[in-house]
Amino acid sequence: AQSVTQLGSHVSVSEGALVLLRCNYSSSVPPYLFWYVQYPNQGLQLLLKYTTGATLVKGINGFEAEFKKSETSFHLTKPSAHMSDAAEYFCAVSASNYQLIWGAGTKLIIKP
Amino acid sequence: DSGVTQTPKHLITATGQRVTLRCSPRSGDLSVYWYQQSLDQGLQFLIQYYNGEERAKGNILERFSAQQFPDLHSELNLSSLELGDSALYFCASSGGTGLYNEQFFGPGTRLTVL
Repeated sequence: AQSVTQLGSHVSVSEGALVLLRCNYSSSVPPYLFWYVQYPNQGLQLLLKYTTGATLVKGINGFEAEFKKSETSFHLTKPSAHMSDAAEYFCAVSASNYQLIWGAGTKLIIKP
Repeated sequence: DSGVTQTPKHLITATGQRVTLRCSPRSGDLSVYWYQQSLDQGLQFLIQYYNGEERAKGNILERFSAQQFPDLHSELNLSSLELGDSALYFCASSGGTGLYNEQFFGPGTRLTVL
Protein backbone atom coordinates (compact mmCIF):
# COMPACT_ATOMS: atom_id res chain seq x y z
CA ALA A 1 0.00 0.00 0.00
CA GLN A 2 1.11 3.52 -0.70
CA SER A 3 1.87 5.97 2.09
CA VAL A 4 3.35 9.41 2.59
CA THR A 5 5.31 10.72 5.55
CA GLN A 6 6.06 14.39 6.01
CA LEU A 7 8.72 14.98 8.61
CA GLY A 8 7.80 17.81 10.95
CA SER A 9 4.32 19.18 11.42
CA HIS A 10 5.87 22.64 11.78
CA VAL A 11 9.04 24.04 10.23
CA SER A 12 10.32 27.50 11.13
CA VAL A 13 12.89 29.36 9.04
CA SER A 14 14.12 32.94 8.92
CA GLU A 15 13.25 35.15 5.99
CA GLY A 16 15.95 34.68 3.34
CA ALA A 17 16.99 31.25 4.63
CA LEU A 18 16.74 27.95 2.83
CA VAL A 19 13.41 26.15 3.01
CA LEU A 20 13.50 22.35 3.18
CA LEU A 21 10.31 20.38 3.66
CA ARG A 22 10.72 16.63 3.76
CA CYS A 23 8.51 14.02 2.16
CA ASN A 24 9.08 10.28 2.04
CA TYR A 25 6.74 7.90 0.32
CA SER A 26 6.21 4.23 -0.20
CA SER A 27 4.79 2.85 -3.40
CA SER A 28 4.77 -0.52 -5.08
CA VAL A 29 4.47 1.06 -8.51
CA PRO A 30 6.25 4.03 -10.14
CA PRO A 31 4.67 6.96 -8.35
CA TYR A 32 3.33 10.30 -9.35
CA LEU A 33 4.35 12.78 -6.65
CA PHE A 34 2.89 16.16 -5.83
CA TRP A 35 3.38 19.14 -3.57
CA TYR A 36 0.36 21.30 -2.86
CA VAL A 37 0.23 24.49 -0.80
CA GLN A 38 -2.65 25.76 1.31
CA TYR A 39 -2.68 29.41 2.31
CA PRO A 40 -4.82 30.38 5.30
CA ASN A 41 -8.54 30.08 4.64
CA GLN A 42 -8.02 28.85 1.10
CA GLY A 43 -8.12 25.62 -0.84
CA LEU A 44 -5.04 23.73 -1.93
CA GLN A 45 -3.02 24.78 -4.95
CA LEU A 46 -0.51 22.72 -6.94
CA LEU A 47 3.10 23.78 -6.43
CA LEU A 48 4.74 21.12 -8.57
CA LYS A 49 4.51 17.51 -9.61
CA TYR A 50 6.67 14.65 -10.76
CA THR A 51 5.26 12.18 -13.24
CA THR A 52 8.11 10.90 -15.41
CA GLY A 53 11.35 12.22 -16.87
CA ALA A 54 13.58 14.76 -15.18
CA THR A 55 13.85 14.08 -11.48
CA LEU A 56 14.40 17.72 -10.53
CA VAL A 57 11.08 19.45 -10.86
CA LYS A 58 10.59 23.20 -10.74
CA GLY A 59 7.34 24.68 -9.56
CA ILE A 60 5.74 27.99 -8.88
CA ASN A 61 7.02 30.68 -6.52
CA GLY A 62 10.64 29.49 -6.76
CA PHE A 63 10.05 26.05 -5.25
CA GLU A 64 11.59 22.87 -6.57
CA ALA A 65 11.69 19.22 -5.57
CA GLU A 66 13.85 16.28 -6.45
CA PHE A 67 12.56 12.75 -6.91
CA LYS A 68 15.06 10.30 -5.43
CA LYS A 69 13.93 6.78 -6.08
CA SER A 70 16.69 5.16 -4.04
CA GLU A 71 15.72 7.22 -1.01
CA THR A 72 11.95 7.17 -1.75
CA SER A 73 11.97 10.89 -1.14
CA PHE A 74 10.53 13.99 -2.77
CA HIS A 75 11.75 16.87 -0.62
CA LEU A 76 10.65 20.43 -1.37
CA THR A 77 13.16 23.25 -1.34
CA LYS A 78 13.38 26.98 -1.92
CA PRO A 79 16.71 28.82 -1.72
CA SER A 80 15.41 31.92 0.03
CA ALA A 81 12.24 32.07 2.13
CA HIS A 82 9.83 34.95 1.81
CA MET A 83 7.18 36.01 4.27
CA SER A 84 4.53 35.15 1.68
CA ASP A 85 5.65 31.49 1.76
CA ALA A 86 4.03 31.03 5.17
CA ALA A 87 1.42 28.33 4.53
CA GLU A 88 0.77 24.63 4.96
CA TYR A 89 2.41 22.29 2.48
CA PHE A 90 1.12 18.86 1.55
CA CYS A 91 2.95 16.06 -0.20
CA ALA A 92 0.88 13.45 -2.04
CA VAL A 93 1.55 10.23 -3.93
CA SER A 94 -0.64 8.48 -6.45
CA ALA A 95 -2.19 5.21 -5.37
CA SER A 96 -3.15 2.31 -7.54
CA ASN A 97 -6.86 2.80 -6.92
CA TYR A 98 -7.26 6.16 -8.62
CA GLN A 99 -6.73 8.28 -5.56
CA LEU A 100 -3.99 10.39 -4.05
CA ILE A 101 -2.54 9.52 -0.66
CA TRP A 102 -1.83 12.71 1.28
CA GLY A 103 0.74 13.50 3.89
CA ALA A 104 -0.28 15.10 7.17
CA GLY A 105 1.00 18.49 6.08
CA THR A 106 3.82 20.74 7.25
CA LYS A 107 3.15 24.28 8.43
CA LEU A 108 5.92 26.59 7.27
CA ILE A 109 6.56 29.54 9.59
CA ILE A 110 8.72 32.40 8.38
CA LYS A 111 10.48 34.48 11.02
CA PRO A 112 11.24 38.09 10.10
CA ASP B 1 -9.27 31.78 -8.16
CA SER B 2 -9.20 28.09 -9.15
CA GLY B 3 -12.48 28.21 -11.06
CA VAL B 4 -14.06 25.67 -8.70
CA THR B 5 -16.98 27.02 -6.69
CA GLN B 6 -18.46 25.60 -3.54
CA THR B 7 -21.58 26.56 -1.66
CA PRO B 8 -22.28 27.34 1.06
CA LYS B 9 -19.08 28.75 2.50
CA HIS B 10 -20.15 28.08 6.07
CA LEU B 11 -22.77 25.76 7.48
CA ILE B 12 -23.82 25.40 11.09
CA THR B 13 -26.22 22.66 12.02
CA ALA B 14 -27.15 20.30 14.83
CA THR B 15 -26.38 16.66 15.47
CA GLY B 16 -28.67 14.26 13.67
CA GLN B 17 -29.39 16.67 10.83
CA ARG B 18 -28.69 16.28 7.11
CA VAL B 19 -26.90 18.77 4.88
CA THR B 20 -25.97 19.06 1.22
CA LEU B 21 -22.77 20.62 -0.02
CA ARG B 22 -22.55 21.75 -3.59
CA CYS B 23 -19.61 21.97 -5.98
CA SER B 24 -19.28 23.33 -9.50
CA PRO B 25 -16.09 22.18 -11.23
CA ARG B 26 -13.94 24.25 -13.56
CA SER B 27 -15.39 24.63 -16.99
CA GLY B 28 -14.59 21.50 -19.00
CA ASP B 29 -13.39 19.38 -16.09
CA LEU B 30 -15.09 15.99 -15.93
CA SER B 31 -13.63 14.72 -12.65
CA VAL B 32 -14.79 15.87 -9.24
CA TYR B 33 -13.18 14.87 -5.96
CA TRP B 34 -14.45 15.39 -2.42
CA TYR B 35 -12.13 15.75 0.58
CA GLN B 36 -12.61 16.22 4.29
CA GLN B 37 -10.02 18.20 6.25
CA SER B 38 -10.04 18.14 10.03
CA LEU B 39 -7.46 18.90 12.69
CA ASP B 40 -7.27 15.36 13.98
CA GLN B 41 -7.45 13.42 10.70
CA GLY B 42 -5.82 15.78 8.24
CA LEU B 43 -6.85 15.69 4.59
CA GLN B 44 -8.91 12.63 3.74
CA PHE B 45 -10.06 11.67 0.27
CA LEU B 46 -13.75 10.79 0.26
CA ILE B 47 -14.89 10.03 -3.26
CA GLN B 48 -14.31 10.79 -6.94
CA TYR B 49 -16.74 11.08 -9.82
CA TYR B 50 -15.90 11.16 -13.50
CA ASN B 51 -18.54 12.31 -15.96
CA GLY B 52 -21.37 11.26 -13.70
CA GLU B 53 -19.97 7.90 -12.61
CA GLU B 54 -18.30 7.00 -9.34
CA ARG B 55 -14.62 6.40 -10.03
CA ALA B 56 -12.92 5.90 -6.69
CA LYS B 57 -13.93 5.68 -3.09
CA GLY B 58 -11.85 6.62 -0.10
CA ASN B 59 -12.68 6.97 3.56
CA ILE B 60 -16.29 7.91 3.04
CA LEU B 61 -18.72 6.98 5.77
CA GLU B 62 -21.95 5.17 4.93
CA ARG B 63 -23.86 8.22 6.27
CA PHE B 64 -22.28 10.25 3.47
CA SER B 65 -23.19 10.04 -0.19
CA ALA B 66 -22.39 11.98 -3.31
CA GLN B 67 -23.45 12.30 -6.90
CA GLN B 68 -22.44 14.12 -10.05
CA PHE B 69 -25.17 15.49 -12.25
CA PRO B 70 -25.34 15.72 -16.07
CA ASP B 71 -24.21 19.36 -15.92
CA LEU B 72 -21.15 18.02 -14.00
CA HIS B 73 -21.84 19.78 -10.74
CA SER B 74 -21.63 17.55 -7.70
CA GLU B 75 -23.31 17.33 -4.33
CA LEU B 76 -22.09 15.73 -1.14
CA ASN B 77 -24.85 14.68 1.24
CA LEU B 78 -24.04 14.22 4.89
CA SER B 79 -26.72 12.71 7.11
CA SER B 80 -27.20 11.79 10.76
CA LEU B 81 -24.52 14.33 11.52
CA GLU B 82 -22.25 13.87 14.49
CA LEU B 83 -19.98 16.32 16.28
CA GLY B 84 -16.98 14.62 14.68
CA ASP B 85 -18.21 15.52 11.21
CA SER B 86 -17.28 19.14 11.85
CA ALA B 87 -14.59 19.86 9.28
CA LEU B 88 -13.68 21.67 6.11
CA TYR B 89 -15.02 19.91 3.04
CA PHE B 90 -13.20 20.55 -0.19
CA CYS B 91 -14.20 19.81 -3.71
CA ALA B 92 -11.57 19.57 -6.44
CA SER B 93 -11.82 19.04 -10.16
CA SER B 94 -9.51 17.89 -12.91
CA GLY B 95 -9.68 17.41 -16.64
CA GLY B 96 -9.36 13.65 -16.71
CA THR B 97 -9.16 10.59 -14.58
CA GLY B 98 -5.41 10.20 -14.62
CA LEU B 99 -3.72 10.85 -11.30
CA TYR B 100 -1.04 12.88 -13.05
CA ASN B 101 -3.68 15.56 -13.66
CA GLU B 102 -3.57 18.61 -11.45
CA GLN B 103 -6.50 18.88 -9.11
CA PHE B 104 -7.99 22.35 -8.72
CA PHE B 105 -9.46 22.94 -5.31
CA GLY B 106 -12.42 25.04 -4.35
CA PRO B 107 -12.39 27.33 -1.32
CA GLY B 108 -14.17 24.75 0.83
CA THR B 109 -17.28 24.56 2.97
CA ARG B 110 -16.75 24.81 6.70
CA LEU B 111 -19.26 22.58 8.48
CA THR B 112 -19.87 23.03 12.17
CA VAL B 113 -22.06 20.48 13.93
CA LEU B 114 -23.32 21.59 17.33
